[in-house]
Amino acid sequence: GNSVTQMEGPVTLSEEAFLTINCTYTATGYPSLFWYVQYPGEGLQLLLKATKADDKGSNKGFEATYRKETTSFHLEKGSVQVSDSAVYFCALLDSGAGSYQLTFGKGTKLSVIP
Amino acid sequence: DSGVTQTPKHLITATGQRVTLRCSPRSGDLSVYWYQQSLDQGLQFLIQYYNGEERAKGNILERFSAQQFPDLHSELNLSSLELGDSALYFCASSVEGAGETQYFGPGTRLLVL
Repeated sequence: GNSVTQMEGPVTLSEEAFLTINCTYTATGYPSLFWYVQYPGEGLQLLLKATKADDKGSNKGFEATYRKETTSFHLEKGSVQVSDSAVYFCALLDSGAGSYQLTFGKGTKLSVIP
Repeated sequence: DSGVTQTPKHLITATGQRVTLRCSPRSGDLSVYWYQQSLDQGLQFLIQYYNGEERAKGNILERFSAQQFPDLHSELNLSSLELGDSALYFCASSVEGAGETQYFGPGTRLLVL
């Protein structure tokens, strides 16, 4: 079956530090890949996505590249801000399997300190 | 703001009771999904509807049921509630329900005492 593995958190960084959150996946088909973010007390917001191999998704300074050879979709940001403190979820959607549900990783909590 | 609305925001109830969670999808979206977020299980897909018809089922308990109405809003019914049903329940919507991006509502936090 499909699965997503994210690096365990929590991750604590100082403001302006470089961020990497690792995400690897297992899928039977050719999935689309997503990063969602959940700010404290809020719902899930789409951060970025990539639909095929070598695509790069980007938004608000965050980037992730779909690497089919390593089955990875690592999230990066060059300089984090306090406002980036949130829980980040990597997810896949394997529509080739005939089902359109998202499969999520367990989430990585990021805390950015001034 | 994703355009997906969920009510109520919070719900506190007792074991054995029944509750109904409501979701209104984004304007123009035909498909609705329900997910459960709990500390031990993480985010899990429950069920998907497309234009009033059930399309896919995930890890949804028999005590739970859902439906999508002609105006496309959806309701998730949880009955014979147990302590372990305490969780955040999210609704998401998408245009066709065929692999495109899903947009999430703010969630309903259910606490079963």
